Amino acid sequence: QVQLVESGGGVVQPGGSLRLSCAASGFTFNRYGLHWVRQAPGKGLEWVTYIQNDGSKKFYGDSVKGRFTISRDNSKNTLYLQMNSLRVEDTAIYYCGRDKFGWVVEYWGQGTLVTVSS
Amino acid sequence: QSALTQPPSASGSPGQSVAISCTGTSSDVGAYKYVSWFQQHPGKAPKLIIYEVTERPSGVPDRFSGSKSGNTASLTVSGLQAEDDADYYCSSYAGNNNLVFGGGTKLTVL
Repeated sequence: QVQLVESGGGVVQPGGSLRLSCAASGFTFNRYGLHWVRQAPGKGLEWVTYIQNDGSKKFYGDSVKGRFTISRDNSKNTLYLQMNSLRVEDTAIYYCGRDKFGWVVEYWGQGTLVTVSS
Repeated sequence: QSALTQPPSASGSPGQSVAISCTGTSSDVGAYKYVSWFQQHPGKAPKLIIYEVTERPSGVPDRFSGSKSGNTASLTVSGLQAEDDADYYCSSYAGNNNLVFGGGTKLTVL
């Protein structure tokens, strides 16, 4: 079955950096686009970024554009999110998700918590 | 991109039906068939329950149904059960390679 397991979350100071990983299994990784979606504590879902199956196209939400970078290693079945210039408002659970061929987040990982605080 | 508008709360008794709305604009909900709905229980990851406005993934009960009229999509839960008590979120493709979510609706089964 499809499994997505995020890691790399933690506490970081404002202005700092963090890299999240998402290890995938149970499907042919290089056939699917992937998303990162975040959820601030007690708040709703916010789409962060998307990467095409071959990594050739990447799209970002306005709130993270220029600060976050999505990437993937199809040889390792792993998705990444490099987060730089972190702000307090980036505090959230970050979920990775597999696309269903049309801007639908079909499967979700369990999430990893990122806390930006001094 | 602005979030889609959902009512903060909805409720119903077991066995009843409840509808949750998701209002966007002619640039997102009104423009594309890529409207999805997700169910999220406390402390858990969201789960896809409706995609492409009306389609149900395998394993999702047919008590859950979706529809769209103009710029507003709706999720209807029929025959409410205790386990339907959860948060529900809509999402829509918003053009220009953007995805937008609704603010979420807390459904309480009385």
